[in-house]
Amino acid sequence: EDQVTQSPEALRLQEGESSSLNCSYTVSGLRGLFWYRQDPGKGPEFLFTLYSAGEEKEKERLKATLTKKESFLHITAPKPEDSATYLCAVQAGSGNTPLVFGKGTRLSVIA
Amino acid sequence: GAVVSQHPSRVICKSGTSVKIECRSLDFQATTMFWYRQFPKQSLMLMATSNEGSKATYEQGVEKDKFLINHASLTLSTLTVTSAHPEDSSFYICSARDLRGRLGNTEAFFGQGTRLTVV
Repeated sequence: EDQVTQSPEALRLQEGESSSLNCSYTVSGLRGLFWYRQDPGKGPEFLFTLYSAGEEKEKERLKATLTKKESFLHITAPKPEDSATYLCAVQAGSGNTPLVFGKGTRLSVIA
Repeated sequence: GAVVSQHPSRVICKSGTSVKIECRSLDFQATTMFWYRQFPKQSLMLMATSNEGSKATYEQGVEKDKFLINHASLTLSTLTVTSAHPEDSSFYICSARDLRGRLGNTEAFFGQGTRLTVV
């Protein structure tokens, strides 16, 4: 069974304090690994897709990396507006399979 | 990214009534749409997958007669919660994927979600 585990469940950072969120996965044939940001009462907002080990993508203060077992979302010098829940999801196998989500990491950035 | 519009964002209904939630892809053709349910501080739970012009495929434990899904066009899918009960109160989210066009075959974009409260 495909599984996604995110850690930590919650993270509290001071503004400017860089850190990383972890997403560990077990999947039968990774098709893609996805990072989303979700604000309270809103739908997930797409951030990145990673397809193969060694791949990296960046967007502003966020950088996502991928290995064969896990992905990291690095947040550099975070700001209070980066506070949100960050969701990791995988798509497995071939064809049009749905995403399997982790439980998310709730990030709070304090000014 | 692509835009998926979900409506309404909030709805309150009485027990026993039905509620329809719409999900529209605004700038792409959604060959596949997914419906999720999310409880507070929990992750997204897949309810069903629908392909345009086909019957929806429901996940185990999801009652297809209670959660009616229609995906009649490439830009619109609807979820109807029939005979709603308080335990159906939740946050419902749709997502859409374009298998044929410029978005590639793995990107999935989400609507804003619908907060359903059954009283």
